[in-house]
Amino acid sequence: AQSVTQPDIHITVSEGASLELRCNYSYGATPYLFWYVQSPGQGLQLLLKYFSGDTLVQGIKGFEAEFKRSQSSFNLRKPSVHWSDAAEYFCAVVNNAGNMLTFGGGTRLMVKP
Amino acid sequence: DAGITQSPRYKITETGRQVTLMCHQTWSHSYMFWYRQDLGHGLRLIYYSAAADITDKGEVPDGYVVSRSKTENFPLTLESATRSQTSVYFCASSESKETGELFFGEGSRLTVL
Repeated sequence: AQSVTQPDIHITVSEGASLELRCNYSYGATPYLFWYVQSPGQGLQLLLKYFSGDTLVQGIKGFEAEFKRSQSSFNLRKPSVHWSDAAEYFCAVVNNAGNMLTFGGGTRLMVKP
Repeated sequence: DAGITQSPRYKITETGRQVTLMCHQTWSHSYMFWYRQDLGHGLRLIYYSAAADITDKGEVPDGYVVSRSKTENFPLTLESATRSQTSVYFCASSESKETGELFFGEGSRLTVL
């Protein structure tokens, strides 16, 4: 069965600093990978997704992620964090049948002024 | 407005009572999902539906019942609520199973006393 691990439960960065959120997956075939963001009191919103092709994918709000098969990773990055980026971020992988997303435990990002 | 709406947003109930959480989407998406979100567990899939009258179990279905008589509605019922079902419940919809892009409601916070 597929699984997703987000090693960092909390991360604090200063506004303007770069950001990298880690995601490791366990999956037998080529994975379909996703990053979602959840603002306080809200549902989740898709940031970006990887299906195939270019391993560096661009998303909304200036985020990008890089798929590295050799490391089973799909880390999320942003070159300069804004205070409005404070939220919880979830990595997810879809199963073989394509009908179920498995989410990681989430990483809560705090941004210092 | 178009979108996905959940009701109630907040609910307090007692152990043993029946509770129904409603979910309504206006996009005519085929797929609908119910997740629960708990600290330390991220989001876990309870049930999903591929179309009207087609439902299937997710990762944590015990204690829950769903139905989908109309494409736009996907209610979740706790037949006899337990304290362990205290959680935030998210409904989501998707146009197709292949994309993995889910659109989430704002969540229903349920407290079982």
